[in-house]
Amino acid sequence: EVQLVESGGVVVQPGGSLRLSCAASGFTFDDYTMHWVRQAPGKGLEWVSLISWDSDTTYYGDSVKGRFTISRDNSKNSLYLQMNSLRTEDTALYYCAKDMATSGYFDYWGQGTLVTVSS
Amino acid sequence: AIQMTQSPSSLSASVGDRVTITCRASQGIRNDLGWYQQKPGKPPKLLIYGSSNLQSGVPSRFSGSGSDTDFTLTISSLQPEDFATYFCLQDYNYPPTFGPGTKVDIK
Repeated sequence: EVQLVESGGVVVQPGGSLRLSCAASGFTFDDYTMHWVRQAPGKGLEWVSLISWDSDTTYYGDSVKGRFTISRDNSKNSLYLQMNSLRTEDTALYYCAKDMATSGYFDYWGQGTLVTVSS
Repeated sequence: AIQMTQSPSSLSASVGDRVTITCRASQGIRNDLGWYQQKPGKPPKLLIYGSSNLQSGVPSRFSGSGSDTDFTLTISSLQPEDFATYFCLQDYNYPPTFGPGTKVDIK
């Protein structure tokens, strides 16, 4: 059974930093591109970033480019999101999601970890 | 970035009703469109990918159609467990973008 478990979400002040983690199990982690997707409270979904299976390729949404860094450790079946220069508008539930491989859709999601940016 | 719109933003329906939700892209996206269902407090669940392909384990009452800029999600006979919010997602180019969602609730 595919499982994705996010952690690391806390309350942080504007301008602060945070690192999110996602522990993956139930599939061959290093075969798949992985994504972060976020959802502000009561709002819609926003794709944040992706990383290819071998870490060679990364993409970021315009709203986080230059502030967030995605990475992975295939030996630990883990995905990460380093978040710097946090803004109040970064407040959201952050989901880790697995790529379908045959296409770019996200076929499995974690339960999310809540990041609150507030003074 | 490609903008996705959905209509209606919400609808009320009864069990057994046929429900249709529309998604429109700001430019042509071939058939690179997926549909997700989200229930309160849960992550989204993939229903349809590639405009019309049913994801494994999804009931056959869900179907998708469309290409280029206009797409439709149809629930042929609404069931109690289908009351949720539905989002479309374009996968044509980066960044992938979601529609704003359509909330389906009980009439």
